[in-house]
Amino acid sequence: KQEVTQIPAALSVPEGENLVLNCSFTDSAIYNLQWFRQDPGKGLTSLLLIQSSQREQTSGRLNASLDKSSGRSTLYIAASQPGDSATYLCAVSGTYKYIFGTGTRLKVLA
Amino acid sequence: GAVVSQHPSRVICKSGTSVKIECRSLDFQATTMFWYRQFPKQSLMLMATSNEGSKATYEQGVEKDKFLINHASLTLSTLTVTSAHPEDSSFYICSATWLGGTNQETQYFGPGTRLLVL
Repeated sequence: KQEVTQIPAALSVPEGENLVLNCSFTDSAIYNLQWFRQDPGKGLTSLLLIQSSQREQTSGRLNASLDKSSGRSTLYIAASQPGDSATYLCAVSGTYKYIFGTGTRLKVLA
Repeated sequence: GAVVSQHPSRVICKSGTSVKIECRSLDFQATTMFWYRQFPKQSLMLMATSNEGSKATYEQGVEKDKFLINHASLTLSTLTVTSAHPEDSSFYICSATWLGGTNQETQYFGPGTRLLVL
């Protein structure tokens, strides 16, 4: 059974810092991995999608990597801003199901 | 493209009543739609998988008679919470996969529906 864990559970950093969010999964037989952002009381905003054959994806200040063999993905956020404050979720796709991680609550202080 | 909508965005109801939530794919045909539930400060948990024209497949621990799912067309799925109780209060999110897409494993998520049962 696939299990997805995110570390840390919560993170508070000063504005301008570069930071790394971690996602690990137990079953490497995945189709893709996706990172989402969720603001309080809101739905999901897709940030980056990495296919199983890819190793990384980049969008603006965000970079996500995927190491299937070790069951790990990282989301790198450069030059963090207060507007980046949100909960970040990773989800792995396999057999037409998404399994979500536990999330990392990020707070960027001005 | 690949937009999914949900209606209503927020609903408050009395205990014992039924509530219907709609999930629509606006600009694509979805063979499969998924329903998730998210309790406060927790992650999303898959409730059921719905294929157009067939019965939904429910995850372990989800009561199929309480959470009725209908997927009558390629653009609409509905979730009905029957005889809702306060413990059903949650954030319900749907997603859809894109028929004919190059990667049918990608899901597109709706904005969610917040249900509060008094």
